[in-house]
Amino acid sequence: AQSVTQLDSQVPVFEEAPVELRCNYSSSVSVYLFWYVQYPNQGLQLLLKYLSGSTLVESINGFEAEFNKSQTSFHLRKPSVHISDTAEYFCAVSGLIQGAQKLVFGQGTRLTINP
Amino acid sequence: NAGVTQTPKFQVLKTGQSMTLQCAQDMNHEYMSWYRQDPGMGLRLIHYSVGAGITDQGEVPNGYNVSRSTTEDFPLRLLSAAPSQTSVYFCASSQTWGFEQYFGPGTRLTVT
Repeated sequence: AQSVTQLDSQVPVFEEAPVELRCNYSSSVSVYLFWYVQYPNQGLQLLLKYLSGSTLVESINGFEAEFNKSQTSFHLRKPSVHISDTAEYFCAVSGLIQGAQKLVFGQGTRLTINP
Repeated sequence: NAGVTQTPKFQVLKTGQSMTLQCAQDMNHEYMSWYRQDPGMGLRLIHYSVGAGITDQGEVPNGYNVSRSTTEDFPLRLLSAAPSQTSVYFCASSQTWGFEQYFGPGTRLTVT
């Protein structure tokens, strides 16, 4: 079976502070990894993805995530957050299970930025 | 491109009523999915389609029906609404199954 665990349901931080949102997965196959962001009252949109190659991937708004195969993790980081980063963040893993690509989402982490 | 559109944005139903949530995409994606989002549970897959005329069940299909007569449209039908179906529903489409998905803005459904 394939599963995703986001270790924190809520993360409050102050503006301009660094943040890390943790994501661990379990899978018996090679995986592709994604982070999606959901701003208030909107749908999800892709923030960044790891398919292959460099284990460190970056988004255009300063977030980065590192694929760690040995620890089966894909934590999301930003060195200095802004009020506009307030949103819910979902980690997702995609793997080939019984001949079909299966995508599973984590439970979400609500990031709240305080001024 | 409008991307993925969903209607209505909000809906209140009484127990036992039926309704259809509409979803359309203009990106010519073969794959479309319906998810429900509940607090603390992330997104759970209800039904999906790998092309016109082909649908399959996801993780939580009971109480929902889908059909896919065109590439663009993928409506979700609630046959007899129950309070347990109170949720936010998202439609998504993708070019390749299991990879990057494009989500609609969601429909917030309340069943009383």
